[in-house]
Amino acid sequence: DTAVSQTPKYLVTQMGNDKSIKCEQNLGHDTMYWYKQDSKKFLKIMFSYNNKELIINETVPNRFSPKSPDKAHLNLHINSLELGDSAVYFCASSQEAGLPSTQYFGPGTRLLVL
Amino acid sequence: SQKIEQNSEALNIQEGKTATLTCNYTNYSPAYLQWYRQDPGRGPVFLLLIRENEKEKRKERLKVTFDTTLKQSLFHITASQPADSATYLCALDNNFGNEKLTFGTGTRLTIIP
Repeated sequence: DTAVSQTPKYLVTQMGNDKSIKCEQNLGHDTMYWYKQDSKKFLKIMFSYNNKELIINETVPNRFSPKSPDKAHLNLHINSLELGDSAVYFCASSQEAGLPSTQYFGPGTRLLVL
Repeated sequence: SQKIEQNSEALNIQEGKTATLTCNYTNYSPAYLQWYRQDPGRGPVFLLLIRENEKEKRKERLKVTFDTTLKQSLFHITASQPADSATYLCALDNNFGNEKLTFGTGTRLTIIP
């Protein structure tokens, strides 16, 4: 059983398109995250949700909009894709906000904008 | 400004030796520090967590130290094996209690047979 899953695994699209990435966790965790890992492998947090509520919103263009329909799912919608959005996007989850807990990462979605 | 730096982007170690990776930070006061392993094409996997009041933590062949005065953590792999080859990331919290982790730049470790 995959703990944190993401779809799709690969996404190749044209500039200007709108795309979504889905994430699901079956760990019963309360907190979920989106990270972006660029070509230099630097991993940076974008958003975090705790029980469907946004708790971390880093300086991310408003073309990126996360949505959490329930605490097991956190989707990422990206409007008007740009070349610089090409990266690997990781979803992660952890047990509870405010406590030191480990984060469990998904396999990543490799986005290439042409 | 806040910074997390991991020693050398890449580190080559002979099999059987101890690999030591460094994580230095500035302008952070973390309550804890974590180490993750990332294999090519995969997401990071948690290895160890050490709190600010702990000096050392061990798990099998792994050992982590945390010196809040030096603002440094050392990550050791003893009796290294080729299967230990991966990128290792340190991560700090911001002590705001919102679970935000900031990751270091990572060190790509290669164990040479």
